[in-house]
Amino acid sequence: GAVVSQHPSRVICKSGTSVKIECRSLDFQATTMFWYRQFPKQSLMLMATSNEGSKATYEQGVEKDKFLINHASLTLSTLTVTSAHPEDSSFYICSARGGLGNSQETQYFGPGTRLLVL
Amino acid sequence: GQQLNQSPQSMFIQEGEDVSMNCTSSSIFNTWLWYKQDPGEGPVLLIALYKAGELTSNGRLTAQFGITRKDSFLNISASIPSDVGIYFCAGMLYNFNKFYFGSGTKLNVKP
Repeated sequence: GAVVSQHPSRVICKSGTSVKIECRSLDFQATTMFWYRQFPKQSLMLMATSNEGSKATYEQGVEKDKFLINHASLTLSTLTVTSAHPEDSSFYICSARGGLGNSQETQYFGPGTRLLVL
Repeated sequence: GQQLNQSPQSMFIQEGEDVSMNCTSSSIFNTWLWYKQDPGEGPVLLIALYKAGELTSNGRLTAQFGITRKDSFLNISASIPSDVGIYFCAGMLYNFNKFYFGSGTKLNVKP
């Protein structure tokens, strides 16, 4: 199946610093990439949807200036958590949407990034 | 926003037993996906369904796209300890750009 990589897999940072997370689709071109946040024992919470070359669409309640998304190419999207605070500590997962060129589209997930803000 | 009702929330079964879980929605979907997530990892795609009534298998897993297009189920036959994890359904509305996720079913298998 399609492979999506995410880097780093875990990061610990001090409060007030910014953290960048990369998401790459390795063997296909992703028309759309998604960023999710997951709290312990909970489902995936969609943060934003990004299409290559255009601004990301953020879900209600997600701060655009806090979570900067750049979708530079069809295989790379980045999420930057700016001025991170302890409450931003979470598991961040990206996914890439690819398909067969028809209506049969699927979403493939990266392995996730564990962020801990001290 | 759209809501997918996934049940059961959790299951405790004995190794060798069969398992069934399902997702329902008040809206019509044109795609259903089933994922498994292990602790500390991203969800892994198990089965994708694209047509109403479609029944698809992947080893011991079988999933069906409901005829009404408002539901889907996942069956696991002869469960083994490595089936332990959280299973998520995801559905996509026609002409929408994103998938909606169920709340997950946590599966525990006793050896």
